[in-house]
Formats: sequence, C-alpha cells, structure tokens
Amino acid sequence: NAGVTQTPKFQVLKTGQSMTLQCAQDMNHEYMSWYRQDPGMGLRLIHYSVGAGITDQGEVPNGYNVSRSTTEDFPLRLLSAAPSQTSVYFCASRSPGRYTQYFGPGTRLTVL
Amino acid sequence: TQLLEQSPQFLSIQEGENLTVYCNSSSVFSSLQWYRQEPGEGPVLLVTVVTGGEVKKLKRLTFQFGDARKDSSLHITAAQPGDTGLYLCAGGPGNQFYFGTGTSLTVIP
Repeated sequence: NAGVTQTPKFQVLKTGQSMTLQCAQDMNHEYMSWYRQDPGMGLRLIHYSVGAGITDQGEVPNGYNVSRSTTEDFPLRLLSAAPSQTSVYFCASRSPGRYTQYFGPGTRLTVL
Repeated sequence: TQLLEQSPQFLSIQEGENLTVYCNSSSVFSSLQWYRQEPGEGPVLLVTVVTGGEVKKLKRLTFQFGDARKDSSLHITAAQPGDTGLYLCAGGPGNQFYFGTGTSLTVIP
C-alpha cells in the first residue's frame, strides 16, 4: 500500500511554462484534494473532487485546472506558471464520511 | 482572510515544559482536526474532535473542542524534542477543510 504518491518532488519552471503535478492514491478513496502551502499561511485548498468526473473549486483556484477521470488519479495543471505559484503543493485523499485525510509527500515548485 | 487563526505562530521551549496552542475562528465547524507536519513531509492527522466541549487525550497531548465548536486548543505536557514540528488545525463544514496558519514548535533538549 503506497498511500498517496506525488510526482515530481521538486520542479523549477520559467514564467509562462505549463506543467502537470501528478497525484495518485491506492486506497480507493473517493475524495481527493489539492492544497498549496506558503510560509505563514498554513494550507489553502485549490481544488477538490468527490469522485471520478466531479471536481470543484476551493479557496485559491485561479491559475490551476484539475480533472478526475479515475478514482486513483487527480492531476493538477498549471497552464501558464507565474512566480506567485511558487509554493509546496500537497495532494490528499479520504473516504466520504471519514475525517482522516492522507497526504502525499508534496511537490516543491519554484517559478522563476 | 484566514478562516482559522492559530496562536502563537512560533514557540520555542525547553524540554519538560508545558505548552498550549490555540485555534480560533468566528465560524462554526462540524469537526476540527489537529495535524503535525515534519519538514519535507505532508501533514499527519493527530486527532479529530466533533462534539462541542469534547476533550481527547493522546499520551501527553490533550485536545479540546470549544463548546460553541468555533475554537480548539492543544496542550502538550512535559514537551520532548520529538514533539518539534508544525502543528496545524483544520476545520470542515462539509467537503472542504480549511487549515489554520500553523504553530511552529521547537523543543530544546
């Protein structure tokens, strides 16, 4: 059981480049979320999904797209990276009706 | 605007001391969670409280949910260097969880 996995672990982008952060879980959790963590801000919710084919916006969705074609995968896309998107990104999953979220190890993204 | 405010933001104490971390909001939450995060890793859940006034104990850690379900506290007795980390509270009215600003705790041997 790998839990929640994220790739890559580190990434450096130039302003305007696009990329996809990968997230996968093998616990058959219906709920998955993407957060970003900035110093002094805690974690802020970007997008979340309550099941395959269903996504919704969180607190800070601008500049990010998501899709959920399978239960296991929930990729986060940056269409045109900006320096303000420099952050650590965490993916999490949980079962509906359960409070425990399981987090991945994070992706540290720097946009120059 | 941060929905959940934590205090203090930073805390540095000597091994063996006691400490309390606070998590406050103007909103009511159906549940409130406490996480601990180590550098370079994702947060790990410590406890979930769901009933106003609820108190839960996890070894030397005591968690309390306010009667009005708007605030919570984490008390650590006889802190140890292994308690060092970032402590985060999170509240969820439904499908979304809002995280607090975090308290960075350093316990000096």
